Amino acid sequence: EAGVAQSPRYKIIEKRQSVAFWCNPISGHATLYWYQQILGQGPKLLIQFQNNGVVDDSQLPKDRFSAERLKGVDSTLKIQPAKLEDSAVYLCASTPGGRELFFGEGSRLTVL
Amino acid sequence: TQLLEQSPQFLSIQEGENLTVYCNSSSVFSSLQWYRQEPGEGPVLLVTVVTGGEVKKLKRLTFQFGDARKDSSLHITAAQPGDTGLYLCAGALYNNNDMRFGAGTRLTVKP
Repeated sequence: EAGVAQSPRYKIIEKRQSVAFWCNPISGHATLYWYQQILGQGPKLLIQFQNNGVVDDSQLPKDRFSAERLKGVDSTLKIQPAKLEDSAVYLCASTPGGRELFFGEGSRLTVL
Repeated sequence: TQLLEQSPQFLSIQEGENLTVYCNSSSVFSSLQWYRQEPGEGPVLLVTVVTGGEVKKLKRLTFQFGDARKDSSLHITAAQPGDTGLYLCAGALYNNNDMRFGAGTRLTVKP
């Protein structure tokens, strides 16, 4: 069974530029999460999708972050414009509805 | 402030020693999980505990869920260098099954 796929693995941009991350969850997994993990910290939930609907985006900085899961499968997380403090690993996770989260390898963002 | 507080933040021990790491909160969780994360990878689930007071064992790892479902501990017996990594606890909130993570305990086991 293929795992959660994320791309790109690494991205370096300058502040005020935009960036997008893509996530392909495990086939059949209805719930998808985006987490932000700053160096030395645990993952912080940004947004949770159930199929193509948003369950929780209370911690998403909506002035610069957006995410969508239009067809209930793949998801994209966008940051525009990026700030220095957005430097982090962006982790995508999926679950079929149970408790176990399956994580991708993450996308490491460096904002200069 | 973190919803889940993990301690210690860092732990460096010699191979063969025992250790316990803690995960505490003032919130009640429907379930609590422990993950292990290695550099450059996403977290991988070790165990899920659901019932207050539950104890689960996974080889040399023992996990306990507090009676009040607010805290948990992870005990490793005879640690090995392969146990090195970031140990994260995550709790599922009752309202919408959000999984919230602690900041983690970074464990280093020296040979």
